[in-house]
Amino acid sequence: DAGVIQSPRHEVTEMGQEVTLRCKPISGHNSLFWYRQTMMRGLELLIYFNNNVPIDDSGMPEDRFSAKMPNASFSTLKIQPSEPRDSAVYFCASSVDREAFFGQGTRLTVV
Amino acid sequence: SQQGEEDPQALSIQEGENATMNCSYKTSINNLQWYRQNSGRGLVHLILIRSNEREKHSGRLRVTLDTSKKSSSLLITASRAADTASYFCATDRYDYKLSFGAGTTVTVRA
Repeated sequence: DAGVIQSPRHEVTEMGQEVTLRCKPISGHNSLFWYRQTMMRGLELLIYFNNNVPIDDSGMPEDRFSAKMPNASFSTLKIQPSEPRDSAVYFCASSVDREAFFGQGTRLTVV
Repeated sequence: SQQGEEDPQALSIQEGENATMNCSYKTSINNLQWYRQNSGRGLVHLILIRSNEREKHSGRLRVTLDTSKKSSSLLITASRAADTASYFCATDRYDYKLSFGAGTTVTVRA
C-alpha cells in the first residue's frame, strides 16, 4: 500500500480564497483524522471520522472550516474563506487498530 | 487543548547516551502511544502501551505507564544521530479520539 496520500503537498493562496485539502486513507482503515501543526499551537486535532461518520469536530477552529468523508477512500478539508492565520501544515492520518499512519502533510500558506 | 504534555521541550545529548522524556495527560485513556517526527515529515508510530500495562520494550525503546499519576515516559537507549527528531505522546481514548502533546525535540550530537 502507498500509505496515506495527501494532496496537494504545498498550497499558496490569497486571503479570501477557498482551499480544499484532500486525503486518501490506507485501504481497510476505518478511522481518519485531520490535524493542523504550527510552531505556536503544536499538533491540533481538528476532526476525526469513524466508518466515514464524523465523531468529534470540536477542534475545528471556525465555521470557515469544514470536512467531509463521502466514502471510505476519500476525505476533504475545506477552508472558505482562507485567512493568513490558517497557514500551517495540515496532516491526515488513518488507523484500523489504534496505530495511526500519517500522510506527508499539506503545507498551506495564505498570503 | 492538548491532552498530553511532554517534558522536557528540548533535549540535547551525546551519541551513545540515553534520552528520557516524559508525558503527562489529563483524562482516562484506552492506550498511550509514542510517535516520532523527522523535520518536515509526517509522524511515525513507535510504540503503543495499553492502560493495563506498566512497561513495554521495543528494540532500544522502553516505555512506562503510570495510570495513577497519568504519566508515561519514553527511554531511548544508546542514542544515535538518526534518533534526532521530535517525539510526541498521544492519548488514545475509547471513542477513538487520538490527541497529541506538544512534543520533545531531541538532538543527538555525534
